[in-house]
Parts: sequence; structure tokens; C-alpha cells
Amino acid sequence: ETVLTQSPATLSLSPTERATLSCRASQSVSTYLAWYQKKPGQPPRLLIYDASKRATGIPARFSGSGSGTDFTLTISSLEPEDFAVYYCQQRSNWGFGQGTKLEIK
Amino acid sequence: EVQLLESGGGLVQPGGSLRLSCAASGFRFSTYAMNWVRQAPGKGLEWVSGISGNGGSTYYADSVKGRFTISRDNSKNTLYLQMNSLRAEDTAVYYCAKPLTGYYYFDNWGQGTLVTVSS
Repeated sequence: ETVLTQSPATLSLSPTERATLSCRASQSVSTYLAWYQKKPGQPPRLLIYDASKRATGIPARFSGSGSGTDFTLTISSLEPEDFAVYYCQQRSNWGFGQGTKLEIK
Repeated sequence: EVQLLESGGGLVQPGGSLRLSCAASGFRFSTYAMNWVRQAPGKGLEWVSGISGNGGSTYYADSVKGRFTISRDNSKNTLYLQMNSLRAEDTAVYYCAKPLTGYYYFDNWGQGTLVTVSS
């Protein structure tokens, strides 16, 4: 069973700063990885799939990279609405990472 | 426009049962696998169960295997989750989720329904 580990657990940044979130798989998942944004009271929102493809309507400031076991979600310049919890998910058993909370510094 | 509307949540005692429904519209329901994902209070997302488009294949997380049953009625465009032998740790918001066309990732979600297991 593939386990996803996200780091850091919490990331404190200011608007306009760059955010870099990590997701590591316990075994290779090739590029079969997605990223979601989750805000309180709202369902998750798909941001990135297949490691680097932006979902429909997702701003260009969100980008994904990586393959095999190491993946990164980058938000180039944080907007106020980007502060949320971010989850990675792999395809093989639909498992999610434990999440990274992106909070305002 | 894709719409997913969950219902059936509520308060149930430990050991009890509940059936969740997810009414789908705006897409060819029978051609998509469908899934349930939950989030316990203060916790992360957990995939719970999935079912193929024709209902012939079902999948479960180890945490619910043997207690939960996923099913669908394609004539009614509705997804179900029968939850038996409920435990306190099953308390969560339950979402139904539709995958992105041709992929296994979830691009459409319902608003969720809250299940609370407590005496």
C-alpha cells in the first residue's frame, strides 16, 4: 500500500510570497498524483492532476512538479484566498496525504 | 453543469446504521465510477469507497470494509452508501465525488452530509 507524506504540516507565509509544498510517496506512483485545496465548509477543489496538469479554471500561479516519489505544489505569489489546507492524492488506492495547512503569517 | 447532492446524514448511536444518497445530474452518470470521501472533524481527507460505472466492481478502505456497502442505481442517477455497525470514528462529513473524465482524480464534489455517531 502506497502512503503519502506531506511536509511541512503547517506553512506560515504572507500574501505575495511563494509557497512550496511537498508530498512524498512510500513507493513510486509515476506521475499519478493530484493536489487539492480544502477550505472549511467547502468541498475539496482539484488543482493539479497527473503531477503537473492544471485543472480547469485553476490560476496559473498554481503549478505542480515531480515524478516517482517526490512531488511539489508551488504557488508562485500567494493571494489571500489561497490560505487553506492542501492535500495530495495518489491514483492506485485513492489515498490522500495528511495535508499541509497554509496559514497567514 | 455537474451537480452532486448528498443526503441521509444525521445522528446515530454506535452500532447503528445509516444510508447516504448522492443524487447526480449534469453528466452521463452510468459512464462514471463514483466515490465516497470523508473528513472527520479536525482531520484530513479519507477515501472511503468507490464503484464502477455499471456497479460490477466495488472498492473499500480497510477502515470500513465489511461494514459499509456502496451501490448505485443508474436509472435514478443515484449513488448510495449503506453504513452498518457505525463507530464513533465514523463521525465525519461524507462527500460523493465524480472523477475527471478519463482519470481517477475527483473534479466534482457534493457539498457533503454530516454523519455523527454518538450515544
